[in-house]
Amino acid sequence: TQLLEQSPQFLSIQEGENLTVYCNSSSVFSSLQWYRQEPGEGPVLLVTVVTGGEVKKLKRLTFQFGDARKDSSLHITAAQPGDTGLYLCAGREYGNKLVFGAGTILRVKS
Amino acid sequence: GAVVSQHPSWVICKSGTSVKIECRSLDFQATTMFWYRQFPKQSLMLMATSNEGSKATYEQGVEKDKFLINHASLTLSTLTVTSAHPEDSSFYICSARDTEGQMGSYNSPLHFGNGTRLTVT
Repeated sequence: TQLLEQSPQFLSIQEGENLTVYCNSSSVFSSLQWYRQEPGEGPVLLVTVVTGGEVKKLKRLTFQFGDARKDSSLHITAAQPGDTGLYLCAGREYGNKLVFGAGTILRVKS
Repeated sequence: GAVVSQHPSWVICKSGTSVKIECRSLDFQATTMFWYRQFPKQSLMLMATSNEGSKATYEQGVEKDKFLINHASLTLSTLTVTSAHPEDSSFYICSARDTEGQMGSYNSPLHFGNGTRLTVT
């Protein structure tokens, strides 16, 4: 099973600040997904990136897949308290298995 | 959108008893379902891959005799925690891959249930 390193593990910022979460691996993934999870609930898919170098935007969230499909980043602009949650990156192995990063707990203070 | 229903959402049981968790795909067929375990403020750890009509594939370190998985139909997979102990207390989440419309695609959507909080006393 491939490993996916996610950083930082915890982030506490003020409302309006920008932040970036990173996901890195030494292995290639067929695709990479970002999820957001609230306490006591299952993860909710935010985006799937498939092509190396791909950039996707979802309102204030920008997702990027590395050219070699080994890493990805999530950038949030002007964070809001509603962005608070656990963010998970997950790489899809070619055998269909989804491998999750350790997660980033984001807290946005108003 | 596709929905995965997981039941129960929470359960408290006594040590030594068995608990069954159900995972249903409500509006799509899922030949493959996945079971994860998550400890507080940590990521999801894949326990096993459930395949309809065949034996589940367990990840290294997961006891197949303790975590029984049955995937008897295209819409239902069950995870039974046998002889539960307090250390089995955790958040268990299932996911199902929507294989319709993108047959054979490794990038077809994966839908998650809302999880089951298991507390063993």
